[in-house]
Amino acid sequence: GENVEQHPSTLSVQEGDSAVIKCTYSDSASNYFPWYKQELGKGPQLIIDIRSNVGEKKDQRIAVTLNKTAKHFSLHITETQPEDSAVYFCAATLPTSGTYKYIFGTGTRLKVLA
Amino acid sequence: DSGVTQTPKHLITATGQRVTLRCSPRSGDLSVYWYQQSLDQGLQFLIQYYNGEERAKGNILERFSAQQFPDLHSELNLSSLELGDSALYFCASSVETSPHEQYFGPGTRLTVT
Repeated sequence: GENVEQHPSTLSVQEGDSAVIKCTYSDSASNYFPWYKQELGKGPQLIIDIRSNVGEKKDQRIAVTLNKTAKHFSLHITETQPEDSAVYFCAATLPTSGTYKYIFGTGTRLKVLA
Repeated sequence: DSGVTQTPKHLITATGQRVTLRCSPRSGDLSVYWYQQSLDQGLQFLIQYYNGEERAKGNILERFSAQQFPDLHSELNLSSLELGDSALYFCASSVETSPHEQYFGPGTRLTVT
């Protein structure tokens, strides 16, 4: 069935180090992969996304890579800062009955230690 | 601020009761999605509406229903509430049904006692 696996579930890094979160999707028809950041008490906020016709996308300290063959995509955060601490969710869209469902990973709690 | 509004912010009710959660999408967005997030859990897709019509269903219980009105706001109705229904309920909107960025509201925290 449709599924998105996300690892690790928790991640602690020192300020200034890099953080990598990985996701794997099951349906090869998926073609859009957003990443969301959720801070405590708030709704998820889109931080970066990638479509299946692109292998990599970068926005300042954040980058996403996509390997369609392996059905893997990853979020890379460089030069981490304390304000990067949050829960991060990956998602993959799945076409269904003329629309698209968004299947979310289970989340990664990132702690950036000052 | 995503532009998506949800009311109420908090809701406390008893088992067996019925509640209605409300969502107003971003201006111009035709698609509305509802999600449930239980404690330390991911986002579970419940249902999607596009321009007033139901377009996709996820893991939505029969006790739950939703609708989207002509002005594009949406309501999620939860009935015969159980303790396990306690969760954060998020609404998200997007421009269209094709894969597109979703914008999430701040959520409604439902507590069933």
